[in-house]
Amino acid sequence: GENVEQHPSTLSVQEGDSAVIKCTYSDSASNYFPWYKQELGKRPQLIIDIRSNVGEKKDQRIAVTLNKTAKHFSLHITETQPEDSAVYFCAASEAGGGADGLTFGKGTHLIIQP
Amino acid sequence: DTGVSQNPRHKITKRGQNVTFRCDPISEHNRLYWYRQTLGQGPEFLTYFQNEAQLEKSRLLSDRFSAERPKGSFSTLEIQRTEQGDSAMYLCASSLYHYEQYFGPGTRLTVT
Repeated sequence: GENVEQHPSTLSVQEGDSAVIKCTYSDSASNYFPWYKQELGKRPQLIIDIRSNVGEKKDQRIAVTLNKTAKHFSLHITETQPEDSAVYFCAASEAGGGADGLTFGKGTHLIIQP
Repeated sequence: DTGVSQNPRHKITKRGQNVTFRCDPISEHNRLYWYRQTLGQGPEFLTYFQNEAQLEKSRLLSDRFSAERPKGSFSTLEIQRTEQGDSAMYLCASSLYHYEQYFGPGTRLTVT
């Protein structure tokens, strides 16, 4: 089955700086890669996703890049703000291939220092 | 609120008892997923429905777990003979296509 590794487990950045979280996956059949933000006691919230036919996707201060050859994808947050503090999870699935269930990484606790 | 809803939000049960959770997906979504999340970990996939059909089951879904979605709308997840290791947050998600799964608030299960 799929295995998703996520690094780092904790990331502390100064407000206004950029943050990068990296994930690798093992199953070359995976073709869908969402990112979720989870605040303490809240549900995971989908913030951005990318499909395997695209190398990069941006939405305001958030971007995701995908390297299919190396089987890794990354989340980039620019101009970080205090409300960006949360746990971020990457995930992967073989969407439409009979394996739509997401395999998640262990999460990155992002701390924005004022 | 048109998001995914789950009931109950909290459940405390004694070891050996059966429990059942309910999930109501976003109304037009035909796909429904169950996940389990323990403290400090990412959600773990349990099972997935497209309409009434249960299409995918994880190895994590032991014989004590059963899920149904009888009319292709809400779903129930039952755990029989609960064990302390079943204590976790049980999350439901729904989607319209194969992408963009939206999660509910979860049911926190504590087995004493």
